[in-house]
Amino acid sequence: NAGVTQTPKFQVLKTGQSMTLQCAQDMNHEYMSWYRQDPGMGLRLIHYSVGAGITDQGEVPNGYNVSRSTTEDFPLRLLSAAPSQTSVYFCASTPRAANTEAFFGQGTRLTVV
Amino acid sequence: DAKTTQPNSMESNEEEPVHLPCNHSTISGTDYIHWYRQLPSQGPEYVIHGLTSNVNNRMASLAIAEDRKSSTLILHRATLRDAAVYYCILRESNAGGTSYGKLTFGQGTILTVHP
Repeated sequence: NAGVTQTPKFQVLKTGQSMTLQCAQDMNHEYMSWYRQDPGMGLRLIHYSVGAGITDQGEVPNGYNVSRSTTEDFPLRLLSAAPSQTSVYFCASTPRAANTEAFFGQGTRLTVV
Repeated sequence: DAKTTQPNSMESNEEEPVHLPCNHSTISGTDYIHWYRQLPSQGPEYVIHGLTSNVNNRMASLAIAEDRKSSTLILHRATLRDAAVYYCILRESNAGGTSYGKLTFGQGTILTVHP
């Protein structure tokens, strides 16, 4: 199994550009989520989904959109990139039960200039 | 969301045991205690979880206080590869064990292991 796959691994954007970070999982997990991690900080939740067609905001949702049309995919869209969105982005997936582990992708390092 | 409190950093020598504490005084009866670690330039990885009883796996042990308001992750013999940020997280759920979909991370504990 591939687990959680994030693409791209690195990206440089100009201010105002838009882009989509891709996240796919092959474990049939119900829950998926996006986090950002700034230097020296913990992970902050951007958006999460408890199933296809269902999404909700996390702690820092502004400037980001998500949708979940399939169980496998949970893309994160940056509508108009800003330097404040320079960060490392992690996608995670987990089954519904609270006694199960979450799996994380390797991250996307985004720089907005 | 239920909160956890961890020391910012801890140090250990190689091959010595390490006890990483976590306080979660607002934990509710159905919250699971999870630990993850993040190695440099990698995504977090699962370490261990528990509800009420102490737990052991190949990576670590988890000791849970009787009142569940604190827990301790135990690395029995630290190696240089254990140097990472360790996160203690409460996975909230309903009475049926279904979680609410969110994992909320704190700052974690930076573990330094000296040769």
